[in-house]
Amino acid sequence: GQQVMQIPQYQHVQEGEDFTTYCNSSTTLSNIQWYKQRPGGHPVFLIQLVKSGEVKKQKRLTFQFGEAKKNSSLHITATQTTDVGTYFCAGRGTYKYIFGTGTRLKVLA
Amino acid sequence: EAGVAQSPRYKIIEKRQSVAFWCNPISGHATLYWYQQILGQGPKLLIQFQNNGVVDDSQLPKDRFSAERLKGVDSTLKIQPAKLEDSAVYLCASSRADRELYEQYFGPGTRLTVT
Repeated sequence: GQQVMQIPQYQHVQEGEDFTTYCNSSTTLSNIQWYKQRPGGHPVFLIQLVKSGEVKKQKRLTFQFGEAKKNSSLHITATQTTDVGTYFCAGRGTYKYIFGTGTRLKVLA
Repeated sequence: EAGVAQSPRYKIIEKRQSVAFWCNPISGHATLYWYQQILGQGPKLLIQFQNNGVVDDSQLPKDRFSAERLKGVDSTLKIQPAKLEDSAVYLCASSRADRELYEQYFGPGTRLTVT
């Protein structure tokens, strides 16, 4: 069945450094969503990508969807302590979303 | 608008006991999801409802888990009997199924500990 993997599993960065997490699906996706989960919290929707090669920006966050629609990335420029949490991608196959394994980000002040 | 409500927030039971979780989605949301999130992992879809009907329950352990969504609104998820490996956070989410954007809104979750 469809699998969605994310790398790295963990990332520790100094505040101000950049951060990138990569999401890879075993099958072609119709679209992909990104969520952020703070420690002890629940996933919160960040963005959705639909088109092949699509790039979207939200302030310091840049999201990309691969040309083959099988991979995606989230890049954070100049991390802040408020960026701490786990970032999940969720890839949609035919009719349901499969969540990735997540990348846990720690930001050291 | 009010968010997704779940209860209880925490539950501790012994193995072989039964437990039930309740979810009230955002008003007007046709699609409701139940996820299981084991510590350190991503949410795993257990069951997805579209109004009253089940869209997907391929990963629901049907010998012990059951779920229903009466009248296409509230939903309950039951585990009977519970096993140690059922210890997890159970997340309910809802989305508006009449739009292209299937953004999921998650509730706070129920943390289940099976001893």
